[in-house]
Amino acid sequence: EDQVTQSPEALRLQEGESSSLNCSYTVSGLRGLFWYRQDPGKGPEFLFTLYSAGEEKEKERLKATLTKKESFLHITAPKPEDSATYLCAVQGGGSEKLVFGKGTKLTVNP
Amino acid sequence: DAGVIQSPRHEVTEMGQEVTLRCKPISGHNSLFWYRQTMMRGLELLIYFNNNVPIDDSGMPEDRFSAKMPNASFSTLKIQPSEPRDSAVYFCASRRDSGYGYTFGSGTRLTVV
Repeated sequence: EDQVTQSPEALRLQEGESSSLNCSYTVSGLRGLFWYRQDPGKGPEFLFTLYSAGEEKEKERLKATLTKKESFLHITAPKPEDSATYLCAVQGGGSEKLVFGKGTKLTVNP
Repeated sequence: DAGVIQSPRHEVTEMGQEVTLRCKPISGHNSLFWYRQTMMRGLELLIYFNNNVPIDDSGMPEDRFSAKMPNASFSTLKIQPSEPRDSAVYFCASRRDSGYGYTFGSGTRLTVV
């Protein structure tokens, strides 16, 4: 069974203090690893898809990386507007569904 | 593009009543997914459709839950009878093709009292 574990559950940063969020996964035949951002009261918003180990993708202050066992979401010089819950999900071989982790709640203080 | 549209945004109902949640996917997307989100269990897939056909309903908790997709632009999730443990946020999502990210709706917050 596909599984995703995210750590830490919650993270508080000062504005400008860079850090990383971790997503560990087990999956049978990875077809894609997905990162989403979720703001309170809203649906998850798609950020990135990574398909193979060694791949990296960037968007503004966010960079996602992928190995065979885990993915990291690096946040460089965060701003208060980066505060949100970040969700990681995997899609395994033979299925269209995404299996989500429980997320990391990020708070960036000004 | 209006995105994935869900209704209602909030629903409060009494235990034992029937609840129907509605979803309009993005035009041209051929897969539709229903998820439930709770603090304890996070996001859990209930059922998904591909080209309007249910493919995997293994996440549907029990017979009280049913879902339909009569055409490419509309889907419903029905709970009958509802119970307090069904209280959660229910999300609908659609996707164009495999390998692309889902687009989620804003969700329906269901409270069963």
